[in-house]
Amino acid sequence: DGGITQSPKYLFRKEGQNVTLSCEQNLNHDAMYWYRQDPGQGLRLIYYSQIVNDFQKGDIAEGYSVSREKKESFPLTVTSAQKNPTAFYLCASRMTGTSGSLLYNEQFFGPGTRLTVL
Amino acid sequence: GEDVEQSLFLSVREGDSSVINCTYTDSSSTYLYWYKQEPGAGLQLLTYIFSNMDMKQDQRLTVLLNKKDKHLSLRIADTQTGDSAIYFCAETPFSGGYNKLIFGAGTRLAVHP
Repeated sequence: DGGITQSPKYLFRKEGQNVTLSCEQNLNHDAMYWYRQDPGQGLRLIYYSQIVNDFQKGDIAEGYSVSREKKESFPLTVTSAQKNPTAFYLCASRMTGTSGSLLYNEQFFGPGTRLTVL
Repeated sequence: GEDVEQSLFLSVREGDSSVINCTYTDSSSTYLYWYKQEPGAGLQLLTYIFSNMDMKQDQRLTVLLNKKDKHLSLRIADTQTGDSAIYFCAETPFSGGYNKLIFGAGTRLAVHP
């Protein structure tokens, strides 16, 4: 099965702890993304990576860190500096290219990790 | 600037058509997307349209783009109870290198018998 997997599905963290959320894809996509979703809101971009060993901050990067050592993997660490980390976290990867005269640019999402701070 | 707005809620009767509307502000956006999210799940890409198109049809889904008014709509024909979900509109502005997806807050579609 090709796709994006995220683990764990649910994660509980005590205040002051760092936690790492896993994201793996076997779609051979170069670009990967982390988004945060809060109730009643759209998704906001935390970090993205267009290629291995390179990543850029999104709109709400403060209190988060990432690494991209392998094409397949883009883990997100929620640090103790993130003041309000309780949210639903979604990982995505992107496919781009051409098919005849058509250009495509598609982001596919994993199932998400729900993080709750106790 | 970059902003995407959607109405928050839509209720339709099973078998009717649903129309979900979206407005965006960035005229440089090249791709405009519709995603579906069911409770507790990730986002499912439904369809998207390239900005040089006015319309795209895919089975029960029709996307209409009015680039002048920066208005995007998603029509679902013969709406079923399985269509109940949150629908997100998103754009990819040039300023983000077409990397970034800017999302609306989502429209919750409720389908009743």
